[in-house]
Amino acid sequence: GDSVTQMEGPVTLSEEAFLTINCTYTATGYPSLFWYVQYPGEGLQLLLKATKADDKGSNKGFEATYRKETTSFHLEKGSVQVSDSAVYFCALSAASNTDKLIFGTGTRLQVFP
Amino acid sequence: ETGVTQTPRHLVMGMTNKKSLKCEQHLGHNAMYWYKQSAKKPLELMFVYNFKEQTENNSVPSRFSPECPNSSHLFLHLHTLQPEDSALYLCASSQGSGSTDTQYFGPGTRLTVL
Repeated sequence: GDSVTQMEGPVTLSEEAFLTINCTYTATGYPSLFWYVQYPGEGLQLLLKATKADDKGSNKGFEATYRKETTSFHLEKGSVQVSDSAVYFCALSAASNTDKLIFGTGTRLQVFP
Repeated sequence: ETGVTQTPRHLVMGMTNKKSLKCEQHLGHNAMYWYKQSAKKPLELMFVYNFKEQTENNSVPSRFSPECPNSSHLFLHLHTLQPEDSALYLCASSQGSGSTDTQYFGPGTRLTVL
């Protein structure tokens, strides 16, 4: 079945470091791909999305490119801030099963000054 | 008030209690969802409602009973829960239920079952 695999955390970085959080997926057809972020004590917020191959989603300095050839949607940011500390979830919505968002287990990011 | 709201934010209940979680969306969306978030596990979709009709029940035990009286409100009725049901319960909504529709989440209800 469809699934999402994320790198396990926590990822610990110093402020202004480069961030990559890996995400790969398994799905039939052409899913839409999402990154959600969950700050402490809050629900999930959409960070960015891409709906077709080679699309790049971007928001708040974060970017992710939909790579069909490697079935990946890695999240990157050039210079992280302490305020980016949160849990990041990669998710897909399969074209064949549109009611469902399938999430990865989440990756905790901790940024220290 | 905007977005998706959930009440209560925290709930502690015994295994014999009956309680309800409430979700309200102010976005004019047509689809609403309940998710369960447990530690170290992916978010689990529980129920989906589209135009007030339940379109998905993801093998959820009958001690969880959803209700969707209109497109803006979604309830989760709880009775005779187990300690393993302790989790963060998240509500979400989306304009439609297509694969490109973005789901917007509420802050969640932290449930503890004693």
